[in-house]
Amino acid sequence: DAGVIQSPRHEVTEMGQEVTLRCKPISGHDYLFWYRQTMMRGLELLIYFNNNVPIDDSGMPEDRFSAKMPNASFSTLKIQPSEPRDSAVYFCASSLGRGYGNTIYFGEGSWLTVV
Amino acid sequence: AQSVTQPDIHITVSEGASLELRCNYSYGATPYLFWYVQSPGQGLQLLLKYFSGDTLVQGIKGFEAEFKRSQSSFNLRKPSVHWSDAAEYFCAVGASGTYKYIFGTGTRLKVLA
Repeated sequence: DAGVIQSPRHEVTEMGQEVTLRCKPISGHDYLFWYRQTMMRGLELLIYFNNNVPIDDSGMPEDRFSAKMPNASFSTLKIQPSEPRDSAVYFCASSLGRGYGNTIYFGEGSWLTVV
Repeated sequence: AQSVTQPDIHITVSEGASLELRCNYSYGATPYLFWYVQSPGQGLQLLLKYFSGDTLVQGIKGFEAEFKRSQSSFNLRKPSVHWSDAAEYFCAVGASGTYKYIFGTGTRLKVLA
């Protein structure tokens, strides 16, 4: 079975540009997560969805970040405008939730560099 | 709120030697505990998890972890390390009723031939 699929794998963009990261969760999974990984802050949960509905977005750093999940098989994380401090690896992950504590499956990440 | 600490940033072991990676958590009740591994350029892969029951948990790739409530620890062990185990290892803790898992800062393992 295909795992969590993220695109692009690598992106280099200029400060001020809009960045859109895409994610296709594992088919049938009803939870979707966006994480950010940096050297300074480690792995941080930005937002997560259940059945396409945002449940907790308290980790979204500021209004420049937004996430959507228009259907069960697709989600986007958008940064507008981007800044150099947004450079990080962004992971999408999904889980089949039947009670908390289920395994979260991670994608391979989108490596973002903002120059 | 829950938190997790991995006190060792880097660990170096020789191939064939035993390994123990430390993880301490803070949570008022019995937490959900996880160990994930991340190879360079890859996402995180679950090694094992603990919810309840037997405090010694077996995982994939020959890893095991032991939950010790009295020490608030969930240390990862492997009796004989292989060169392919070189990676970064993350401990994570989750509270009941939430998917807000908190990840530790990771321990980078280097294996000497």
